[in-house]
Amino acid sequence: GAGVSQSPSNKVTEKGKDVELRCDPISGHTALYWYRQRLGQGLEFLIYFQGNSAPDKSGLPSDRFSAERTGESVSTLTIQRTQQEDSAVYLCASSLLGGSAYNEQFFGPGTRLTVL
Amino acid sequence: EDQVTQSPEALRLQEGESSSLNCSYTVSGLRGLFWYRQDPGKGPEFLFTLYSAGEEKEKERLKATLTKKESFLHITAPKPEDSATYLCAVLSLLGTYKYIFGTGTRLKVLA
Repeated sequence: GAGVSQSPSNKVTEKGKDVELRCDPISGHTALYWYRQRLGQGLEFLIYFQGNSAPDKSGLPSDRFSAERTGESVSTLTIQRTQQEDSAVYLCASSLLGGSAYNEQFFGPGTRLTVL
Repeated sequence: EDQVTQSPEALRLQEGESSSLNCSYTVSGLRGLFWYRQDPGKGPEFLFTLYSAGEEKEKERLKATLTKKESFLHITAPKPEDSATYLCAVLSLLGTYKYIFGTGTRLKVLA
């Protein structure tokens, strides 16, 4: 079956521009996560959606970052007024259940963002 | 503060040379420990979930174990195709559920 997909795979933008990154989770997965991975670093949690509950935004690094999710489907991560330090791979993951030990996350291939 | 530390940062092995990767954690309310494999340019791929101390899981040449303070990923007779970054993550509950990832171990297996 189809896995988690993300688009675009690569994005090059100029400092100060806004970007939108898209994630299509696995159908039926109620939980969706966004992470940031800088070169040579681990995964940095950004935001977590679980069903219709209010998202956990505690990992968003600044108010330039926001995310939305339509029901239990597509999610969009928006970065406004991009800065060079925003350059990273942005990973999306989904899982069948959220907040439970009885699930694993399935990751998309990521979007590589480069801010010039 | 919840923390996950992986060691070594990088490891080079000859094909067939068994070794172990370490994941040490300090976390409140552990709800699970996860191992992932990440190949260059790709998202992490799930390997194992461990829930309680003493638990072990195996898959091909990999075996994951868990104690109250750390987890080991044992690699037996590795092959070049096992070369990847191995990530450890914990799921904690402190008010809200949170996944915390380590920075990974970059494994290179030489033929």
